[in-house]
Amino acid sequence: EDKVVQSPLSLVVHEGDTVTLNCSYEVTNFRSLLWYKQEKKAPTFLFMLTSSGIEKKSGRLSSILDKKELFSILNITATQTGDSAIYLCAVEIQLAGGTSYGKLTFGQGTILTVHP
Amino acid sequence: NAGVTQTPKFQVLKTGQSMTLQCAQDMNHNSMYWYRQDPGMGLRLIYYSASEGTTDKGEVPNGYNVSRLNKREFSLRLESAAPSQTSVYFCASIIGQLLRSSTDTQYFGPGTRLTVL
Repeated sequence: EDKVVQSPLSLVVHEGDTVTLNCSYEVTNFRSLLWYKQEKKAPTFLFMLTSSGIEKKSGRLSSILDKKELFSILNITATQTGDSAIYLCAVEIQLAGGTSYGKLTFGQGTILTVHP
Repeated sequence: NAGVTQTPKFQVLKTGQSMTLQCAQDMNHNSMYWYRQDPGMGLRLIYYSASEGTTDKGEVPNGYNVSRLNKREFSLRLESAAPSQTSVYFCASIIGQLLRSSTDTQYFGPGTRLTVL
């Protein structure tokens, strides 16, 4: 059974702190790993990673994938109250024939709360 | 260009009632998905449709049916609602059948919050 596990499940920090969110996976045929941020409504896309060791960056957020050890981390530096959200990790699994139909298996999410 | 839209936004049902959640996208996407989100569970795939005219079960299909009415619309039906189906439901879509790049990732609708009493 394909499994994606995130840790911690919740995290409370103060503005300016740096946080590291973890995502580990056990899947049959990995194709890509994605990070989403979810505030009050729908998840919004942050990063897509397909190769090990290549760090993706967007401002204060960065993410790296380790395909050997089967995990990814999402780093947020100099956190702000606007970073408070649920962060979701998802894995795209490749099916027979090379397609995935875009199917994603999600982890439980990490609830990040940033206090002023 | 409204992206992915869902109706209704909120719904309260009694056990045993039926209802249909509607989803539409105006991005000419081929693949569409229905997820449910429960506290501490992330998003779980209910059904998906890789193309118009096809549907397949996801991780948690029991108690649900779907219809891919045309390329734009993908509806989710609860025939006999149960309290265990209380959840937030998200519809999503992608342009193809693979996530080729960061621009091909799933676009989500705003969600429907369903309560079954």
